Amino acid sequence: KAGVTQTPRYLIKTRGQQVTLSCSPISGHRSVSWYQQTPGQGLQFLFEYFSETQRNKGNFPGRFSGRQFSNSRSEMNVSTLELGDSALYLCASSLTPSGGSSYNEQFFGPGTRLTVL
Amino acid sequence: AQKITQTQPGMFVQEKEAVTLDCTYDTSDQSYGLFWYKQPSSGEMIFLIYQGSYDEQNATEGRYSLNFQKARKSANLVISASQLGDSAMYFCAMREGGGGADGLTFGKGTHLIIQP
Repeated sequence: KAGVTQTPRYLIKTRGQQVTLSCSPISGHRSVSWYQQTPGQGLQFLFEYFSETQRNKGNFPGRFSGRQFSNSRSEMNVSTLELGDSALYLCASSLTPSGGSSYNEQFFGPGTRLTVL
Repeated sequence: AQKITQTQPGMFVQEKEAVTLDCTYDTSDQSYGLFWYKQPSSGEMIFLIYQGSYDEQNATEGRYSLNFQKARKSANLVISASQLGDSAMYFCAMREGGGGADGLTFGKGTHLIIQP
């Protein structure tokens, strides 16, 4: 069974540009979550999608957006890039949405490393 | 206040020794889940073990076990008989209950280095 795939793996952009990252979940998984990882802030939750609907969003500005398609693939978009957006962006998929103490393992992809110059 | 605290930024351990990675958490929810992930230098997060707040037994998965002390809000990861391949970043994470879904809240991580 193929794991979570993320494309591209590496990306270099300049300030002010926009970027779109893609995530293909494990076959059959309908929930996709996005996380940002930086040396300073660590791992932070961006948003979660289930059945093409955003269920929740972390504490990020509106420049960060996402969507999910009917085949559960997800994209996230960052507009007007800033230097501080340089990070590893991780996507995770699960069978069902997250919630409380229920066991719901999230499988992570290899990440997209974004560098903003 | 931090919701997940990992007090050991880095650890050096001799191969074959047991390792305990500390994690304390803060939540007012009764329903929550605790996770440990391993992140090697390649960047991918690898799920290790899970403990639900209502689980009475400590979770175990092969060489990994979770020492869950609910009253102390502690969820330490124990790795028995460490191996060179265990060298990586280790993250403790929590997902809280309630009506919403806020994803996982991660600690800052512990960089574990296994020495031969």
